[in-house]
Amino acid sequence: SQTIHQWPATLVQPVGSPLSLECTVEGTSNPNLYWYRQAAGRGLQLLFYSVGIGQISSEVPQNLSASRPQDRQFILSSKKLLLSDSGFYLCAWSVKQAVTTYEQYFGPGTRLTVT
Amino acid sequence: LAKTTQPISMDSYEGQEVNITCSHNNIATNDYITWYQQFPSQGPRFIIQGYKTKVTNEVASLFIPADRKSSTLSLPRVSLSDTAVYYCLVGDVTNSGNTPLVFGKGTRLSVIA
Repeated sequence: SQTIHQWPATLVQPVGSPLSLECTVEGTSNPNLYWYRQAAGRGLQLLFYSVGIGQISSEVPQNLSASRPQDRQFILSSKKLLLSDSGFYLCAWSVKQAVTTYEQYFGPGTRLTVT
Repeated sequence: LAKTTQPISMDSYEGQEVNITCSHNNIATNDYITWYQQFPSQGPRFIIQGYKTKVTNEVASLFIPADRKSSTLSLPRVSLSDTAVYYCLVGDVTNSGNTPLVFGKGTRLSVIA
């Protein structure tokens, strides 16, 4: 069966510090991968998605970046965190050519607090 | 992706049936309607999906009228554990592999004892 991992589960970082969040998927190959952010009390905001290694689409221009160095690995980074980067970060994956289900599978999330 | 509109919040007592309606006036021919559920501090999870008429699974029912411009998620006999945010999404299933889901703010359902 497929599983998706995210780490760390929680993170507290000072303003201006770098960030690296990692997401890996097991049990599937060539998935589409996604990064979402959810600020406190708000909906999910799509940040990046990737349909293959090295292919990244950015939905929201900001100080965050994403990379996909391996087929089932998706990394979210920042060189300098802002207070507004605080939130709940979710990684998700989907089958590339789904036939009948419009479904994404989400990881457990990383709660980031920028102080 | 078609834009959706749903109530921001709803309250219900335990044991009642809850119906959450979503409007999607610009739904396209190839679009399916999908509902997700999100508990606090967790990622959303798929509940149900449909194209027209009625779909039922072990969790919920989805009612879609003939014009498909709206849909209603029905949760039978809710319990406290159904307190969550419910998202309605509309999109082309055949292109789901390359089109990311776009979540709105959802409907926050609070179930009261």
